[in-house]
Amino acid sequence: EVQLLQSGGGSVQPGGSLRLSCAASEFPFSSFAMNWVRQAPGKGLEWVSGLTGSGGGAYYAASVKGRFTISRDNSKNTLYLEMKSLTAEDTAIYYCAKSSGPLTSPFDYWGQGALVTVSS
Amino acid sequence: DIQMTQSPSSLSASVGDRVTFTCRAGQDISDYLAWYHQKPGKVPNLLIYTASTLKSGVPSRFSGSGSGTDFTLTISSLQPEDVGTYYCQYYKTAPLTFGGGTKVEIK
Repeated sequence: EVQLLQSGGGSVQPGGSLRLSCAASEFPFSSFAMNWVRQAPGKGLEWVSGLTGSGGGAYYAASVKGRFTISRDNSKNTLYLEMKSLTAEDTAIYYCAKSSGPLTSPFDYWGQGALVTVSS
Repeated sequence: DIQMTQSPSSLSASVGDRVTFTCRAGQDISDYLAWYHQKPGKVPNLLIYTASTLKSGVPSRFSGSGSGTDFTLTISSLQPEDVGTYYCQYYKTAPLTFGGGTKVEIK
């Protein structure tokens, strides 16, 4: 069974940084694009970033471009999201999500979510 | 960027009712449209992709239709476990935009 195990959430002050991780198992990790999706408290889903299987193509939502960096280590089957210059508007549950194929495909598996709280 | 608009934002229906809600794209997206269901406090779950293809294991009471800009998700007979929020998603090119969601409750 495909598993996506997230870690790295927590509380951070405005302007701070945080790194999220998503450890994948039971599928050929490098063959699939991966994504980060967030959900602010009581709000809907927002796609944050996506990365091709090779790691050669990274894409970002306008709201995080220049502040967030998506990356992956295919030798460790792990996806990362480096977040900098965090503001209160970044407070959300962050999910990693596996694309069912290339980046242009729906998300067939999701991590359990990691809460990121940005507050002074 | 392509905007995805869902309606209604919420609805309340009885068990056994036929329920339909819609998703409208800001421009022609062909059939690059997926539907997800998020139960309260849970992780989203893929129901339908390419606008009308049911993911394996999803109950047959769910169906999707549409192409271009207008799409619908129908639940033929609403069940108690169907409560939650339904999201459409465009996935052909980044940004892979989600609609705002339709929240479904049982009367």
